[in-house]
Amino acid sequence: AQKITQTQPGMFVQEKEAVTLDCTYDTSDPSYGLFWYKQPSSGEMIFLIYQGSYDQQNATEGRYSLNFQKARKSANLVISASQLGDSAMYFCAMREGVTAAGNKLTFGGGTRVLVKP
Amino acid sequence: ETGVTQSPTHLIKTRGQQVTLRCSSQSGHNTVSWYQQALGQGPQFIFQYYREEENGRGNFPPRFSGLQFPNYSSELNVNALELDDSALYLCASSTIGAVNSPLHFGNGTRLTVT
Repeated sequence: AQKITQTQPGMFVQEKEAVTLDCTYDTSDPSYGLFWYKQPSSGEMIFLIYQGSYDQQNATEGRYSLNFQKARKSANLVISASQLGDSAMYFCAMREGVTAAGNKLTFGGGTRVLVKP
Repeated sequence: ETGVTQSPTHLIKTRGQQVTLRCSSQSGHNTVSWYQQALGQGPQFIFQYYREEENGRGNFPPRFSGLQFPNYSSELNVNALELDDSALYLCASSTIGAVNSPLHFGNGTRLTVT
């Protein structure tokens, strides 16, 4: 089974509207972290937001928020007030465990977002 | 604070050749990881280095090898290049043991094998 699943290969969103990107994960480790990264066409991976498995509240960073539903193993990213510069690939990723080997991230297949003016 | 830098940005090699990619970690980070990203896919973990030793490896053959230097810079070496090795290679650095520490990525090296 895939560890990170992003079911939306591509999405269109109107400028200034909100968009939700889906991410489901699979792990048996009770300690894990979930990350969202943005990758513009230039190729750089830009860190957006982090959610820990023991965090009680949903993470927020500016226009980005994470809808974390632990029982359903989902960690959806919400981008509010979309801007043209938000057009990019978005990746959900998971880090399992907190040991020295735990700096490995497992990525999903990504969702391409195109913001329309 | 300097970010993660990679060189070269683009590279074209012939099947069977060897290639070395370089990475300078972000200041203060002690772990470096390498990822391969094929076109249209998410990055795949190759391996990571901590204290100059390989410390975790993904599903990649031994012809993928690496080094980490005392200044935390790193190299990825790929021997006997195959056409399927064509990809964007990303280097990432972080601080080991900090569970909420995000990986900081470089801009990548785009390798084309012909």
